[in-house]
Amino acid sequence: KAGVTQTPRYLIKTRGQQVTLSCSPISGHRSVSWYQQTPGQGLQFLFEYFSETQRNKGNFPGRFSGRQFSNSRSEMNVSTLELGDSALYLCASIRDSLLTDTQYFGPGTRLTVL
Amino acid sequence: AQKVTQAQTEISVVEKEDVTLDCVYETRDTTYYLFWYKQPPSGELVFLIRRNSFDEQNEISGRYSWNFQKSTSSFNFTITASQVVDSAVYFCALSGLNDYKLSFGAGTTVTVRA
Repeated sequence: KAGVTQTPRYLIKTRGQQVTLSCSPISGHRSVSWYQQTPGQGLQFLFEYFSETQRNKGNFPGRFSGRQFSNSRSEMNVSTLELGDSALYLCASIRDSLLTDTQYFGPGTRLTVL
Repeated sequence: AQKVTQAQTEISVVEKEDVTLDCVYETRDTTYYLFWYKQPPSGELVFLIRRNSFDEQNEISGRYSWNFQKSTSSFNFTITASQVVDSAVYFCALSGLNDYKLSFGAGTTVTVRA
């Protein structure tokens, strides 16, 4: 079974630009979560989507947004990039049964903002 | 609010030594899940173990074992007979029963020297 895939793996942008990151979950998994990892703040939860609906959101500004498509693939968008947005963005895929399932992570997208 | 504390920032051992990673958590939830993830230099978070708050039985899985003590809010993880391939950053994480938001500790960098 293929794992979680994220594209692109590396991205370089300049301040003020916007960026879109993509995540394809494990086949059959219906929920996708996004996390930001920085040296200073560590791993922080961004948001979680299930059936094209955002179910949970972390404490990030409105510049960070996401969506999920009918095939469970998800994208996250960051507008008006700031230097502090440089981070590893990780996507996690969850099967979503009645009980909490384990989240399986993709390799991440490393975003550098210049 | 949930909080996970990993007091050890770095641990360095020689191959075949045992390594124990400490994790202390705080949560107001009566039921929750605890996890350990490994992050090798490639960046992907690799799931290792998951524990329910209502099951304090400690187990061993191959070279991994864990000690969950609800009374002290601790969820320690041990690698027995460490190998160079175990070198990575290890994260302890916590989530609610039906909440896919993972709260991570700051991580412990483990270096296993040959």
